[in-house]
Amino acid sequence: GIQVEQSPPDLILQEGANSTLRCNFSDSVNNLQWFHQNPWGQLINLFYIPSGTKQNGRLSATTVATERYSLLYISSSQTTDSGVYFCAVELPADRGSTLGRLYFGRGTQLTVWP
Amino acid sequence: SQTIHQWPATLVQPVGSPLSLECTVEGTSNPNLYWYRQAAGRGLQLLFYSVGIGQISSEVPQNLSASRPQDRQFILSSKKLLLSDSGFYLCAWSRPIVGFGSGTRLTVV
Repeated sequence: GIQVEQSPPDLILQEGANSTLRCNFSDSVNNLQWFHQNPWGQLINLFYIPSGTKQNGRLSATTVATERYSLLYISSSQTTDSGVYFCAVELPADRGSTLGRLYFGRGTQLTVWP
Repeated sequence: SQTIHQWPATLVQPVGSPLSLECTVEGTSNPNLYWYRQAAGRGLQLLFYSVGIGQISSEVPQNLSASRPQDRQFILSSKKLLLSDSGFYLCAWSRPIVGFGSGTRLTVV
């Protein structure tokens, strides 16, 4: 398989602070997604970002596929940003991987205090 | 629009009892479907995936089984639950961007 490592494992912030979450992966990937898991367990897709940079409001993500890492930026944190952030990757089809089969990191637990 | 439904949301079952979790998708045809399990609040493990009706692949040997009786229906089952089957079960589909159902929290007592 492929190794997906996320850092930091835990992050505690004051409301209004900025943060950067990192995802390293050990092999070439076909797809990379960032998810936010809310306190009720729902996994919300934040970004589909196999390469390049995308922005959505206060969140942005950058994937440098050639260097096998991705970054998730959260600006002006709010208490509703709390939860676990997962990075997940999909191997290319020529590696025998099934479309949509994701390999997850262990996540970053983010806590934002008011 | 495309949606994915999963139920029940929570379930408490005694050891040795059967299990049936259901997932259905709407707004698409012939999706790839997946069952993941999350233990201890971190890390999702793929259990089963299906690329079509009646086609099931298992990622890890375990006490569970899956079936796909219809194009947009995916069922996770067990004949006799073990304590170790407790966890948070998530159904997913690919479009090809992967989306998840709301999950079932299973506690085996």
